[in-house]
Amino acid sequence: AQKITQTQPGMFVQEKEAVTLDCTYDTSDQSYGLFWYKQPSSGEMIFLIYQGSYDEQNATEGRYSLNFQKARKSANLVISASQLGDSAMYFCAMREGLHGNKLVFGAGTILRVKS
Amino acid sequence: NAGVTQTPKFQVLKTGQSMTLQCAQDMNHNSMYWYRQDPGMGLRLIYYSASEGTTDKGEVPNGYNVSRLNKREFSLRLESAAPSQTSVYFCASKGLLSSGNTIYFGEGSWLTVV
Repeated sequence: AQKITQTQPGMFVQEKEAVTLDCTYDTSDQSYGLFWYKQPSSGEMIFLIYQGSYDEQNATEGRYSLNFQKARKSANLVISASQLGDSAMYFCAMREGLHGNKLVFGAGTILRVKS
Repeated sequence: NAGVTQTPKFQVLKTGQSMTLQCAQDMNHNSMYWYRQDPGMGLRLIYYSASEGTTDKGEVPNGYNVSRLNKREFSLRLESAAPSQTSVYFCASKGLLSSGNTIYFGEGSWLTVV
């Protein structure tokens, strides 16, 4: 069964607007971690944000926030005030166990920011 | 701040040739990983090493071998390359108490097998 599902292969957003990238996950563990990574055209994987399963508040890092809905098993990434430099591939990932060793990735969402 | 360094960045191999991808991290991390990235598949774990001296298979280990040479270095070897191994390979590392339990990636190695 797919552990991480990103249903949006591609998204467009107007510059300065907010955009939500969807991610749902499947696990029977009580302890897990959720991650978002950005991959620009240059190819490197850039860590954006992390949410632990026991964290009660949604994680935020600058313009990035993670909308964590545990009962729905969703961990959507919200990017506020989009910039042209946000155009990239975005991956949602999950690690089962707070200190587990395996990070499982979704297929990714390509985001294009329009000027 | 080098972080995770992997070499080579680009390589073209003929079917049946062997090669080793090198990875080194300077963050004193215990765990290291090798992933491959294929279009529409996200990243898939090939092998990982939870600590120096240990290695374990991930989702897609067939056709690969690994060596955790020391705490810093984790290499990935293709003994007899096949076109199906054409991919982008990422090395990554994670510290025991990394901030936010973050896994850090190298810049990727583009491998083409013809």
